[in-house]
Amino acid sequence: GESVGLHLPTLSVQEGDNSIINCAYSNSASDYFIWYKQESGKGPQFIIDIRSNMDKRQGQRVTVLLNKTVKHLSLQIAATQPGDSAVYFCAENINNDMRFGAGTRLTVKP
Amino acid sequence: KAGVTQTPRYLIKTRGQQVTLSCSPISGHRSVSWYQQTPGQGLQFLFEYFSETQRNKGNFPGRFSGRQFSNSRSEMNVSTLELGDSALYLCASSWDRADTQYFGPGTRLTVL
Repeated sequence: GESVGLHLPTLSVQEGDNSIINCAYSNSASDYFIWYKQESGKGPQFIIDIRSNMDKRQGQRVTVLLNKTVKHLSLQIAATQPGDSAVYFCAENINNDMRFGAGTRLTVKP
Repeated sequence: KAGVTQTPRYLIKTRGQQVTLSCSPISGHRSVSWYQQTPGQGLQFLFEYFSETQRNKGNFPGRFSGRQFSNSRSEMNVSTLELGDSALYLCASSWDRADTQYFGPGTRLTVL
């Protein structure tokens, strides 16, 4: 996997609002995508995944949208809570190789 | 089902020393991948093991090595430590590399 040199994008939202975190992926042949959440001092935690034959998938308070036309992936978090504060990053499967994005730091204001 | 475990959680070493980190994957998972995570570079892939064989390797010097045992547990070794090796080392396991990878808590290595 590779990540670009980092100056993490940040997103600050008010508690209770919805959050949308975006990820642009690189390869139109990518067929599997994952969103991870990483809290400070912890390893990345699996949130939700989606295969390229779908354009939307919902979990508990989270929705992933896949737009293959523009190679864009988004993670929507409903009713964002303070515990959602973390770095979120996407991963894509290219030819059986998982590659990770740089991440977005989400901060939830009480 | 127990998650991925890594030991030790924290480690402080000095330049020139060597270190061995350990990872126990989720039961049944045969693929173990190692990553280095730093604030400046993000997640960098080190290598992946499957059934005791290294299948993929990232762009790291030969000082970084690893192995996998028959029970899928894996170790990575860094020799002749440099200050720049200070990082969070993450292990992830999966059924196969292209499947969902589940991460351990990481080992925080500090090189002084």
